[in-house]
This record gives sequence, structure tokens and C-alpha cells, in this order.
Amino acid sequence: TQLLEQSPQFLSIQEGENLTVYCNSSSVFSSLQWYRQEPGEGPVLLVTVVTGGEVKKLKRLTFQFGDARKDSSLHITAAQTGDTGLYLCAGFMDSNYQLIWGAGTKLIIKP
Amino acid sequence: DTAVSQTPKYLVTQMGNDKSIKCEQNLGHDTMYWYKQDSKKFLKIMFSYNNKELIINETVPNRFSPKSPDKAHLNLHINSLELGDSAVYFCASSQGHRGVRTEAFFGQGTRLTVV
Repeated sequence: TQLLEQSPQFLSIQEGENLTVYCNSSSVFSSLQWYRQEPGEGPVLLVTVVTGGEVKKLKRLTFQFGDARKDSSLHITAAQTGDTGLYLCAGFMDSNYQLIWGAGTKLIIKP
Repeated sequence: DTAVSQTPKYLVTQMGNDKSIKCEQNLGHDTMYWYKQDSKKFLKIMFSYNNKELIINETVPNRFSPKSPDKAHLNLHINSLELGDSAVYFCASSQGHRGVRTEAFFGQGTRLTVV
């Protein structure tokens, strides 16, 4: 059983559209990170959110941590082809100092 | 300069063989990890070392043995390879492992194919 569920698993949209991907759990995390992974590369950290309700913006990307620190969302405004990739969320559990990973959302932005 | 480098990038080998994957980081980090990413892209931690000491050892077959000669290196040796070992293996490092803002830096991955 995965502790972190990501949805959708796959998303293909046209350039210019908006989208939201979700990361949900029944567990509480001390923090939550979002990574992007491109083909043939390792994941690269985009953002870390720590406080319940926290919202962080990275250009056209908006990340939100749920109030109860059990879920998170990533919203992309006016998607571009360069946003294509696998988006992974990872929750930090300070009970065992481990990052728990979601299975990822594969995002394809078509020109 | 590559921050976390692992070799080889591709490895094709026959069942039953023994192989090693090497990892080096030049970030001065004290914690290194090995992850396995399966065909469904699910990242699963295998091992973690902090200052050359094993701190995480998930349930993996004992055919997998990590070795950390120093803080900057964490190698993965696999004995008696099986078809199910085929996956992409990622090495990663971080500064510390207890902070909620611990950021993992990943290598490019080693795609292992067992035939």
C-alpha cells in the first residue's frame, strides 16, 4: 500500500491550458517536496512546503500544502512544452527520517 | 562538474552474474542513498548511509550489498542477478537526513537490464 497517492497518473494537455495534480495521504508529514524528473535524468527538487496551508509559487507553478499536512497540490498556469516531465511528490516523516515517495504524474504538454 | 555521478549509465547483463554500480558525490554531503525506480516509475529507497554508517536498510534481498568507502562514495554490489532486478537505480545525496527541508540530489540513474 502506497502511503502517498498521486493523481492523475498521466495527463496530456495542450500548451496554454491550466492543470492541477494532487498528492494525497492518510498520513501526516512534516514536510512535502515536489520534484520533476525528465527522461534519462534523476528527479530535481522544485519546492519544499512545511507549514499546513502553505502556498509557494515558482513562476507559473503554484504549490499548496494541505492544512492538515496530509495532502498537496501543484497547479500549473498556461502550461508550456518545457513543463513536460514526471512530477513526483515526497513526504518527509520525522518518525523515521525518511522521504516517502508518490508514484508520480506523467505530464505531457503538446504544442 | 556533475554533483552526483553514477556509473555505468546503462548495464545489460545475464541472469546469475554479479555487478557493481558506483556513485560519487562532490557536494560535501554526509548522507547518500540508493533508490530503485521500477517500470511504473515508483521510487523506493533501498539504503541510506550517513557518514559511512548504514542508517536505512529497507527490505531488499541480501544479494544487494552497499559499500561506502568514504562519505563521498556509495557503491552498490548485486550478486546473482535476477530478471526482477531490472530497473533504474538512482544514487542520491543530501546534507543531513533529519531536517524537514532535507533536499535530495540525484544522479542520472543506471538502467539495469537483466536478460
